Amino acid sequence: GENVEQHPSTLSVQEGDSAVIKCTYSDSASNYFPWYKQELGKRPQLIIDIRSNVGEKKDQRIAVTLNKTAKHFSLHITETQPEDSAVYFCAAFYSGSARQLTFGSGTQLTVLP
Amino acid sequence: GAVVSQHPSWVICKSGTSVKIECRSLDFQATTMFWYRQFPKQSLMLMATSNEGSKATYEQGVEKDKFLINHASLTLSTLTVTSAHPEDSSFYICSGVQGASYEQYFGPGTRLTVT
Repeated sequence: GENVEQHPSTLSVQEGDSAVIKCTYSDSASNYFPWYKQELGKRPQLIIDIRSNVGEKKDQRIAVTLNKTAKHFSLHITETQPEDSAVYFCAAFYSGSARQLTFGSGTQLTVLP
Repeated sequence: GAVVSQHPSWVICKSGTSVKIECRSLDFQATTMFWYRQFPKQSLMLMATSNEGSKATYEQGVEKDKFLINHASLTLSTLTVTSAHPEDSSFYICSGVQGASYEQYFGPGTRLTVT
């Protein structure tokens, strides 16, 4: 099955700085890579996703890059704000099974005012 | 986006009792629903996948006789934790997928505490 590794586990940045979270996946057949933001006690919220036929996608302050050859993808948040503080999860869609998502271990992002 | 609800949002039960959690897709037909468990400061771990009208497929290490899943309609799936123990205390989250869509729509989660 798919295995997704995520780094770092914790990340603190000053307000206004950029934050980068990286993930690697193992199954070259995976073709969909969403990123979720989860606040304490709440559901994961999809913030951006990318498909394997695209190398980069941007939505305002958030961008995701994908390197299929190296099997890694990254989340970039620019001009961070305190409300960006949350746990972020990457995931890979494992097409070889029942349309399952495999999640990374999560990154606790803290934006310091 | 599509909306998924869960009920209850939190529940406290005594050890040895059973608890049922409902997951409903409110504005779409969820051909597939997933059940996840999330322990504090950990990631979402898939427990099982259920397709409407079929038996659920459980992940390795998840006891199917303990975690009963029913997906009787395209808008409702239920998870019953039988003979609950304190170690079953966790945050349970469901999600639904419509047809061949890649995106999963998550419910708000249910906090289960077993005393």
